[in-house]
Amino acid sequence: AQKVTQAQTEISVVEKEDVTLDCVYETRDTTYYLFWYKQPPSGELVFLIRRNSFDEQNEISGRYSWNFQKSTSSFNFTITASQVVDSAVYFCALSGTYKYIFGTGTRLKVLA
Amino acid sequence: EAGVAQSPRYKIIEKRQSVAFWCNPISGHATLYWYQQILGQGPKLLIQFQNNGVVDDSQLPKDRFSAERLKGVDSTLKIQPAKLEDSAVYLCASSLAQTTKHQFFGPGTRLTVL
Repeated sequence: AQKVTQAQTEISVVEKEDVTLDCVYETRDTTYYLFWYKQPPSGELVFLIRRNSFDEQNEISGRYSWNFQKSTSSFNFTITASQVVDSAVYFCALSGTYKYIFGTGTRLKVLA
Repeated sequence: EAGVAQSPRYKIIEKRQSVAFWCNPISGHATLYWYQQILGQGPKLLIQFQNNGVVDDSQLPKDRFSAERLKGVDSTLKIQPAKLEDSAVYLCASSLAQTTKHQFFGPGTRLTVL
């Protein structure tokens, strides 16, 4: 069975603070992919990053960084120096054999 | 490059009525997904097509929901008859490959069942 857990339902931070969104997953597949998507107030889900199970290198893209740790089955997402435009719901997703599963999402509110 | 198109954007119907949603994926994307997203929840996969064949419809309530993807391009999702609990946003997405590639999402159709 596959499962994605985003324990943080909602996080509020003040602009310029760093924030980390947690994602814990379960799968029996040896080959799988992990994703992060952003859903702004407009509603359209936007892809942010994909990681495969054999690539544990962390990645940085501008103010965004991702930490993938197979040992703890986690794929956490950090926003550095948050901005109001980062306010959105963020979803972690897992795909294994044909299945694509989303977590319940974390609503991030960045206050000016 | 044009994105995933969906219509209508909003629909309000009475319970027991029928409704249909349309999706046009990105050109060349063989895989098409329909999701149901209830307010405050993550998207839940209803059905996945690979070209015009169904890969996974295990979470599709088949007594009232149906979907088709004729000619492996456009797709329609139908609900008949609708129930109050069907109120949700219905998202269509497409991707180049079944599970390895990320998905491109359309704007969704917000359905309200009264």
